[in-house]
Amino acid sequence: KQEVTQIPAALSVPEGENLVLNCSFTDSAIYNLQWFRQDPGKGLTSLLLIQSSQREQTSGRLNASLDKSSGRSTLYIAASQPGDSATYLCAVIQGAQKLVFGQGTRLTINP
Amino acid sequence: DAGITQSPRYKITETGRQVTLMCHQTWSHSYMFWYRQDLGHGLRLIYYSAAADITDKGEVPDGYVVSRSKTENFPLTLESATRSQTSVYFCAGNPSGGPEGQYFGPGTRLTVT
Repeated sequence: KQEVTQIPAALSVPEGENLVLNCSFTDSAIYNLQWFRQDPGKGLTSLLLIQSSQREQTSGRLNASLDKSSGRSTLYIAASQPGDSATYLCAVIQGAQKLVFGQGTRLTINP
Repeated sequence: DAGITQSPRYKITETGRQVTLMCHQTWSHSYMFWYRQDLGHGLRLIYYSAAADITDKGEVPDGYVVSRSKTENFPLTLESATRSQTSVYFCAGNPSGGPEGQYFGPGTRLTVT
């Protein structure tokens, strides 16, 4: 059974810092990996999707990497801003497009 | 805008009652999914559908029923609600079953008293 782990569970950093969120998964037989953002009381917003044949994807200040062989993905956020405060979720995509989620990292950016 | 709407957004019901959560999409998503989100468990897949009239169980299907007679609608029914089904429910879609990933609706917060 696929298990997805995100470390740390919570992170608080001052504004302007670069930071890395970690995601690990136990079964490397995945199709893709997707990173989401969730604001309190809201739905999930897709940030980046990395296909299994790719090693990284970039969108603005965000960069996500994928190493299938080691079962790891990282989300790099450059020059963090208070508006980046949210919970970040990673999910691996398996057969029939099913997602298996980690428990998330709750990020707080302090002004 | 993911083209997915959910109704109601908030629902309070009593133990033992039947309740249906609606999901409607306008993007012609072929795949559709229902997840529940709970503290300590994260998001878990309840049911999914690859196309109209094709549905299958996810990780936590007990106590739930789904149908998909039309591509655009994917209702989730709790046949006899229990307090353990108090949760936030998210409907999601994947436009083609391809590499675009999933898009989520805004969620329904259900409380069973």
